Amino acid sequence: KNQVEQSPQSLIILEGKNCTLQCNYTVSPFSNLRWYKQDTGRGPVSLTIMTFSENTKSNGRYTATLDADTKQSSLHITASQLSDSASYICVVSPGGGADGLTFGKGTHLIIQP
Amino acid sequence: DAGITQSPRYKITETGRQVTLMCHQTWSHSYMFWYRQDLGHGLRLIYYSAAADITDKGEVPDGYVVSRSKTENFPLTLESATRSQTSVYFCASSSPISFFGQGTRLTVV
Repeated sequence: KNQVEQSPQSLIILEGKNCTLQCNYTVSPFSNLRWYKQDTGRGPVSLTIMTFSENTKSNGRYTATLDADTKQSSLHITASQLSDSASYICVVSPGGGADGLTFGKGTHLIIQP
Repeated sequence: DAGITQSPRYKITETGRQVTLMCHQTWSHSYMFWYRQDLGHGLRLIYYSAAADITDKGEVPDGYVVSRSKTENFPLTLESATRSQTSVYFCASSSPISFFGQGTRLTVV
């Protein structure tokens, strides 16, 4: 069964600190992995999308890495800001089509001043 | 405004009532999706559509009906709402990156 596991479930850090969120998946075949940010009460918004051949991709202070061999991805947030408080969802696609996405349950990140 | 719009944002309905959640996108993306998001389950796919007049079941389709007569609209209908359908519902379209609507918080009492 295709699964996406995220850790930690929740995380509290101080403003200005860095943090790393983890995503392990068992989805096969694999096409791409996406990280979404979901603010409370809003829909998820795409941060990055990586294909099999990509190891790292950055979007501002967000940097995602992918190890397709170990089926692991991480999302690193640098110099956190209060606005980074949100849930971060890892999503894996098994094929080239737009359907069949497998969602992780998300990591709830709280940035404290 | 360009994007994907859901309506209503909030809805309270009674058990047994029929309720329709609306979804409209302005990009003409072929694929559209309906998800529900519940604590402990994350996002689960209810139905998706690959094009107008083409729909297919997702992970949790029971109790829901969809239609797609036009590319830009993808309404989700709960034919006879149950308390277990209390959830936050998200519509998405894909290019293939999925863009999500703001969500509809549905409470069935």
